[in-house]
Amino acid sequence: DTGVSQDPRHKITKRGQNVTFRCDPISEHNRLYWYRQTLGQGPEFLTYFQNEAQLEKSRLLSDRFSAERPKGSFSTLEIQRTEQGDSAMYLCASSLRTGGGGELFFGEGSRLTVL
Amino acid sequence: AQSVTQLDSQVPVFEEAPVELRCNYSSSVSVYLFWYVQYPNQGLQLLLKYLSGSTLVKGINGFEAEFNKSQTSFHLRKPSVHISDTAEYFCAVSLLLQGAQKLVFGQGTRLTINP
Repeated sequence: DTGVSQDPRHKITKRGQNVTFRCDPISEHNRLYWYRQTLGQGPEFLTYFQNEAQLEKSRLLSDRFSAERPKGSFSTLEIQRTEQGDSAMYLCASSLRTGGGGELFFGEGSRLTVL
Repeated sequence: AQSVTQLDSQVPVFEEAPVELRCNYSSSVSVYLFWYVQYPNQGLQLLLKYLSGSTLVKGINGFEAEFNKSQTSFHLRKPSVHISDTAEYFCAVSLLLQGAQKLVFGQGTRLTINP
């Protein structure tokens, strides 16, 4: 069990550029979540996949954001035309248990800095 | 709507002293409650969770938390802290979302252990 892995760990980009983050969940987990964490705040839910289906998107996820999970394995989160307000830590988590109460396993995050 | 309030943004304590990190939640339905810990430059790790049953929940690293329904609280405690407990601690409430759960996090409490 290698845990949830995220790539890249750090990304510095200029405003207006596009960036893409990748998340590899724990292999047998069928649920995958993206969260965003800004400095001094707790993580905020962005979106959720069950297998390859994206079942929920937060209002935080503007039309510049798109997430995919082809074949229900790894997931990508793309941000187009980045803005300085997009600077944050993007966290991916996965889980297996159905219903509530199951543990979410988090990756170490991808830190985005938009200059 | 469900929400979580962590009453202290920072808590400094001396090594081997007891500590309590406070968490209050609001929810109109039964909840699942969690405490996660985030060490510097790492992802979130589950400390403990309350699903049902005994209101006193024991977790890893000697931490425990007590669910108090009447006070809508889920405070985290440790009788004797160690330098290695220095980290950010997040309380979270679970919202069921199409068969899986969305965690709503508090703002976090930074625990600093002084020698």
